[in-house]
Amino acid sequence: AQSVTQPDIHITVSEGASLELRCNYSYGATPYLFWYVQSPGQGLQLLLKYFSGDTLVQGIKGFEAEFKRSQSSFNLRKPSVHWSDAAEYFCAVGAIQMTGTASKLTFGTGTRLQVTL
Amino acid sequence: GAGVSQSPRYKVAKRGQDVALRCDPISGHVSLFWYQQALGQGPEFLTYFQNEAQLDKSGLPSDRFFAERPEGSVSTLKIQRTQQEDSAVYLCASSSRPDRGNQPQHFGDGTRLSIL
Repeated sequence: AQSVTQPDIHITVSEGASLELRCNYSYGATPYLFWYVQSPGQGLQLLLKYFSGDTLVQGIKGFEAEFKRSQSSFNLRKPSVHWSDAAEYFCAVGAIQMTGTASKLTFGTGTRLQVTL
Repeated sequence: GAGVSQSPRYKVAKRGQDVALRCDPISGHVSLFWYQQALGQGPEFLTYFQNEAQLDKSGLPSDRFFAERPEGSVSTLKIQRTQQEDSAVYLCASSSRPDRGNQPQHFGDGTRLSIL
């Protein structure tokens, strides 16, 4: 069964500082990997996704993530954080389906990002 | 609207009552998912539809939970005889095609269910 671990429950960074949110996954083959962001009272917004190919993927809002198979990781990064980035961030893994059906997502428990001015 | 729409946004019910939560996916999206998000947790999968067919209901926590999507568009999640542990945010997501699962899911804002 697939699983996702986000080791950091809460992270605080200063505005303008760099950010890295950790994500480790467990899955038997090459997974589909996603990062979503959730603001209070809102649903999840997709930041970026990895399916195959280039292991460094670019997303919206200046975020990027790097897939490292050897480390089973998909860490999210941003070079300069803005106060509006404060939110909950979820890493998710989807299993490859060979039967033409869509894949349910397995989420981590999330990392709450606080940004200080 | 262009996104996934869920209603109501908030629902308060007394323990033992039945509730129905509605999801209106993005037009033309074949796949529809329901997730349950407890406070301070990540979403957990409940069930999946491809068009009107419910292909996976392995995440439904008990037989009190029932979902349907009779015409392959709007879906309803029903919870019978609600209990306090059902209190959570229920998220609906849709995606455009089922091709081997590589289409991203688009989420609604959820329904926050509180059971008193």
